[in-house]
Amino acid sequence: GAVVSQHPSRVICKSGTSVKIECRSLDFQATTMFWYRQFPKKSLMLMATSNEGSKATYEQGVEKDKFLINHASLTLSTLTVTSAHPEDSSFYICSARKTAAKNIQYFGAGTRLSVL
Amino acid sequence: AQTVTQSQPEMSVQEAETVTLSCTYDTSESDYYLFWYKQPPSRQMILVIRQEAYKQQNATENRFSVNFQKAAKSFSLKISDSQLGDAAMYFCAYLDQGAQKLVFGQGTRLTINP
Repeated sequence: GAVVSQHPSRVICKSGTSVKIECRSLDFQATTMFWYRQFPKKSLMLMATSNEGSKATYEQGVEKDKFLINHASLTLSTLTVTSAHPEDSSFYICSARKTAAKNIQYFGAGTRLSVL
Repeated sequence: AQTVTQSQPEMSVQEAETVTLSCTYDTSESDYYLFWYKQPPSRQMILVIRQEAYKQQNATENRFSVNFQKAAKSFSLKISDSQLGDAAMYFCAYLDQGAQKLVFGQGTRLTINP
């Protein structure tokens, strides 16, 4: 199997605080992980591609200083939403791609962020 | 840029019947992958089936099969013997092999009527 763990599943924070979301591949190595954002009843929008040991690649329109990504090991990527505001409230999903099988992405269960 | 279009926002089917979800895409590439993902109310994305563009044979996974028409750039999903647990959002996705990014369609919400 290929299990991706995402934590926390839900977080509520105050406006102006920072929130960190973790994405772990539990039983495989993932050189590349992806972070998506999903608005209610909408599709997944790719925010950034996270590469182990190097800087993330952000999609157009995504603020890299707002959404900090770190991929320090082959099994862990983190997304930090800095100085969160209510408009950052959303469902964030990560996925991981096996180093050895690059054409399938395995998804975490998502994190629901609510900024008050 | 590649685009994926799912023209059916919602579909419903009677339990045990067959339903087909539509998907079209646009690309100038000749080698790529296509996927159907399922997102149940838990919101966990689950891979249902995938198709490699260079393979002419349609992929099948138990009750799930695809009708891949490369020239028409169409990739529909057929669910046979629908079960209550099939109720979910279904997303069609295209893998850009160069950039290794998934491009998703808008999704189709499938309801199973008992």
